Amino acid sequence: AQSVTQLDSQVPVFEEAPVELRCNYSSSVSVYLFWYVQYPNQGLQLLLKYLSGSTLVKSINGFEAEFNKSQTSFHLRKPSVHISDTAEYFCAVSKGETSGSRLTFGEGTQLTVNP
Amino acid sequence: DTGVSQNPRHKITKRGQNVTFRCDPISEHNRLYWYRQTLGQGPEFLTYFQNEAQLEKSRLLSDRFSAERPKGSFSTLEIQRTEQGDSAMYLCASSFPRTGHTGELFFGEGSRLTVL
Repeated sequence: AQSVTQLDSQVPVFEEAPVELRCNYSSSVSVYLFWYVQYPNQGLQLLLKYLSGSTLVKSINGFEAEFNKSQTSFHLRKPSVHISDTAEYFCAVSKGETSGSRLTFGEGTQLTVNP
Repeated sequence: DTGVSQNPRHKITKRGQNVTFRCDPISEHNRLYWYRQTLGQGPEFLTYFQNEAQLEKSRLLSDRFSAERPKGSFSTLEIQRTEQGDSAMYLCASSFPRTGHTGELFFGEGSRLTVL
């Protein structure tokens, strides 16, 4: 079975500061990795994904995540956050078609950006 | 709005009552998933459909839970004889045929159930 651990349940930062949200996973097989974001009163949205190829993946709003196979990590980073980045962030893994593409989620990290 | 739609958004019921939630996926999506999210936790997989076939059910889905997708379009999730432990947000998601196998899902806003 696979599992996902998000090491921080809450991360408060000031606007324009850098941030890192940590995610570690365990799986005996290759996985696909995802970060989903949930803004207040909205549904989960895909932020970025790692499927194969380059281990550094980027979103359109300045977030990036790096797949580290040896450390089984997929940490999310942003060099300078905005108030609008305040949301809950979920790391997730999928074994792809072998598991029907179901996602296993971490418990989430609440990012709060303060002025 | 062409996203995943869930109804009702909120449901308050008394213990022992039955409740039903509906999910309308994005029209061209053939896979549909149900997840449950309790306070402070990430979403947990319940079940998924490919077209009208229910292909997998989690052990979380007790005998009181049943899901259907009769014509491969909308889906319903029914909970019979609700218990206070059923209080949660029930999330529906769907995926494209060509990208669903990689786990890229489109989620609805969820249906929040409160059992008194």
